[in-house]
Amino acid sequence: NAGVTQTPKFRILKIGQSMTLQCAQDMNHNYMYWYRQDPGMGLKLIYYSVGAGITDKGEVPNGYNVSRSTTEDFPLRLELAAPSQTSVYFCASSFGQGGEETQYFGPGTRLLVL
Amino acid sequence: GDSVTQMEGPVTLSEEAFLTINCTYTATGYPSLFWYVQYPGEGLQLLLKATKADDKGSNKGFEATYRKETTSFHLEKGSVQVSDSAVYFCALSDLGANSKLTFGKGITLSVRP
Repeated sequence: NAGVTQTPKFRILKIGQSMTLQCAQDMNHNYMYWYRQDPGMGLKLIYYSVGAGITDKGEVPNGYNVSRSTTEDFPLRLELAAPSQTSVYFCASSFGQGGEETQYFGPGTRLLVL
Repeated sequence: GDSVTQMEGPVTLSEEAFLTINCTYTATGYPSLFWYVQYPGEGLQLLLKATKADDKGSNKGFEATYRKETTSFHLEKGSVQVSDSAVYFCALSDLGANSKLTFGKGITLSVRP
């Protein structure tokens, strides 16, 4: 099992550019999440999905979009990059709901917007 | 809303020293509690968890006990190693919240040889 994979590892964007951060998991997990991690802060939830075709906003969704067409993939789209989106982005997945489920994290994508 | 408060860092210890990292929480429901660890250049991974009051989670010599009366989940290790150098995050997941995790700010631990 590869677990949760993310691409790219690192990217520099100019203000106003767009890009898609890729996330895939091979554990057949229903739940998937996108977080951002800013220096000295905990992780903030951007969007999450409870299954293919179902997505919902997290704590900080502005400036991002997601889709979930398959169980395995959960891409995160930045439409008009802004310096405030400079961060490290983590994708995670879990098997189901219940509050006690362990989330499995990818290695992260470091994004710099200049 | 739910929140997690961790002690301020960073923390620097000598090898074999005793470690305590404080974590307290506020939750409307009856949460599960987690400690995640992030080694340099990597994603987060689960260190340990507890799902009900008085449960003790343990892994790799680390322990934490779910204390409902003090709303705390402090992380302890009796003898730290250089390889324990990492960022440690306390988190909670409230039942019925679609397994969404609420994280503390994290604390950086550096262990000197």
